[in-house]
Amino acid sequence: NAGVMQNPRHLVRRRGQEARLRCSPMKGHSHVYWYRQLPEEGLKFMVYLQKENIIDESGMPKERFSAEFPKEGPSILRIQQVVRGDSAAYFCASSPMIGQGRQNTEAFFGQGTRLTVV
Amino acid sequence: GQQVMQIPQYQHVQEGEDFTTYCNSSTTLSNIQWYKQRPGGHPVFLIQLVKSGEVKKQKRLTFQFGEAKKNSSLHITATQTTDVGTYFCAGYNAGNNRKLIWGLGTSLAVNP
Repeated sequence: NAGVMQNPRHLVRRRGQEARLRCSPMKGHSHVYWYRQLPEEGLKFMVYLQKENIIDESGMPKERFSAEFPKEGPSILRIQQVVRGDSAAYFCASSPMIGQGRQNTEAFFGQGTRLTVV
Repeated sequence: GQQVMQIPQYQHVQEGEDFTTYCNSSTTLSNIQWYKQRPGGHPVFLIQLVKSGEVKKQKRLTFQFGEAKKNSSLHITATQTTDVGTYFCAGYNAGNNRKLIWGLGTSLAVNP
């Protein structure tokens, strides 16, 4: 059973370009979370999605950032017109569907995408 | 908004010494989870505590959940170099199960 898969592992973008980060959750998981982590800092929640729905995007910057989790395919975190301050590690985590007798279960993390904006 | 505070932020110990990190929430939690992140790695789930006053052990690690379900601790006995990393606590707000609220983590360094 493959774990949470994120790609690419490393991404370099010039200022003004777009960054697309992909996350395939664990099999059977329909809840996806995106987090950002700056060096030597903790995890900052960005967005929580279920299939085809954004449940909580309170941690997402209002501009340039968007996320989706389509019915088919991976979840995508998209950053438009990247700036140097966007450089960070972006982690995706997944958990099983709430309501299957496993509410509030743990999050399984991918290995992250390290974004560097030059 | 709800906050989860973790102390200390950093801790250096000699190998063999004990280590404790504390997690305090501004609101009541329905559960508390602990994760470990090795340098350059990703967070890995360690344990979940659900019941008030619950204590769980994993070898040299002891996890406690406070009676009021607002605080928790992780204690490592006789640290080893393999314990190096950042330990995060995270919990679900008792009134809102939608997302984990994370502490900022405690970074542990162990001198051999």
